[in-house]
Amino acid sequence: SQQGEEDPQALSIQEGENATMNCSYKTSINNLQWYRQNSGRGLVHLILIRSNEREKHSGRLRVTLDTSKKSSSLLITASRAADTASYFCATASNAGGTSYGKLTFGQGTILTVHP
Amino acid sequence: GAVVSQHPSWVICKSGTSVKIECRSLDFQATTMFWYRQFPKQSLMLMATSNEGSKATYEQGVEKDKFLINHASLTLSTLTVTSAHPEDSSFYICSAYISGTPYEQYFGPGTRLTVT
Repeated sequence: SQQGEEDPQALSIQEGENATMNCSYKTSINNLQWYRQNSGRGLVHLILIRSNEREKHSGRLRVTLDTSKKSSSLLITASRAADTASYFCATASNAGGTSYGKLTFGQGTILTVHP
Repeated sequence: GAVVSQHPSWVICKSGTSVKIECRSLDFQATTMFWYRQFPKQSLMLMATSNEGSKATYEQGVEKDKFLINHASLTLSTLTVTSAHPEDSSFYICSAYISGTPYEQYFGPGTRLTVT
């Protein structure tokens, strides 16, 4: 089942503007990850933030995690037309005592950046 | 490093036939791989967890007799869609993780299946 709720479902902005996407989840997690997917393509891993971290940066990406609110946000600064894609959050948790982590994906945000 | 490939990248088959999709970890060994399905404009839904040398673990609602998974080696898992129907048309994505880093998965590029 999908535990992640993302908003907005779609976001349309102009090049140069910042884009913020939010993700909420329901259960306890080990970490939360953000992925990007271009239309019809595979997933590209963007950033991973662990449950004991509150903020993480990678280039133009900034991710925050609030475990008390069970929410995360992804900020893309100075967006470019090439950032146009779908963005998914995924929570990783121990799957009922197994030795591996299971990813549960959010519904995704479709970002369109107009040149 | 940590590259996962899938083959084929796209396939068209007739209703009633079976189709096999391969997922390979190219530069690492993967004791566990995952199979996801994604319908257009939707998110990824985990179908099953593939374990090398043992039976796959299927998610609730996924028919194990229809979606056969075989994890033949530490670098190869296959998903066979049996007696395919048009509603099986979807984007199938696999992932794998490196032992010791179970929370970091590496994804394949996906396989587009169209059943006519």
